[in-house]
Amino acid sequence: QKEVEQDPGPLSVPEGAIVSLNCTYSNSAFQYFMWYRQYSRKGPELLMYTYSSGNKEDGRFTAQVDKSSKYISLFIRDSQPSDSATYLCAMSAWGGYNKLIFGAGTRLAVHP
Amino acid sequence: DAGVTQSPTHLIKTRGQQVTLRCSPKSGHDTVSWYQQALGQGPQFIFQYYEEEERQRGNFPDRFSGHQFPNYSSELNVNALLLGDSALYLCASSRTGTSVSDTQYFGPGTRLTVL
Repeated sequence: QKEVEQDPGPLSVPEGAIVSLNCTYSNSAFQYFMWYRQYSRKGPELLMYTYSSGNKEDGRFTAQVDKSSKYISLFIRDSQPSDSATYLCAMSAWGGYNKLIFGAGTRLAVHP
Repeated sequence: DAGVTQSPTHLIKTRGQQVTLRCSPKSGHDTVSWYQQALGQGPQFIFQYYEEEERQRGNFPDRFSGHQFPNYSSELNVNALLLGDSALYLCASSRTGTSVSDTQYFGPGTRLTVL
């Protein structure tokens, strides 16, 4: 079993839809949770960073962490075609600057 | 701020050859991590350098080695290349500290093709 599981998709939604992306994990030591966005043939770009449990909102993006269920989510409101990319969840036990364990990534396509 | 830079952008090598990839961290960052991303997969941690020493290592063979220079830039070396080493190699920089806000920022990557 992988430490971090993420549905690879692809996920296809119409413009303006609310998108929900999720990851589950098995290592209860994880405390630092990140979401990265990666466009084709580019490096990952940090979107959201959450320490421990709870919610964090930044514009159209909301990250949720439920440590009791070992489940994290990223919500995208009013999705745009420019949101079409692969979304990677990543986690660390010792700090965001330390070794990150990634999910496989979910491919998202937002069509006009 | 130029962010994390990597060179070269693309590289084509043949099996058995050796390759060196380079990374310059974001201004103010002192820690460099290297990741390998195979097509359709998430990045996998290779190793991390801090204060010019390898601090952590992932599950990669000794053919993968690295170096960090006094200016915090870093190199990744891969010897005896195999077809399976074909991937996007990502460098990430960060600041080692006690702040929970310290996290990693990635460069654009070097795409290595082994023929």
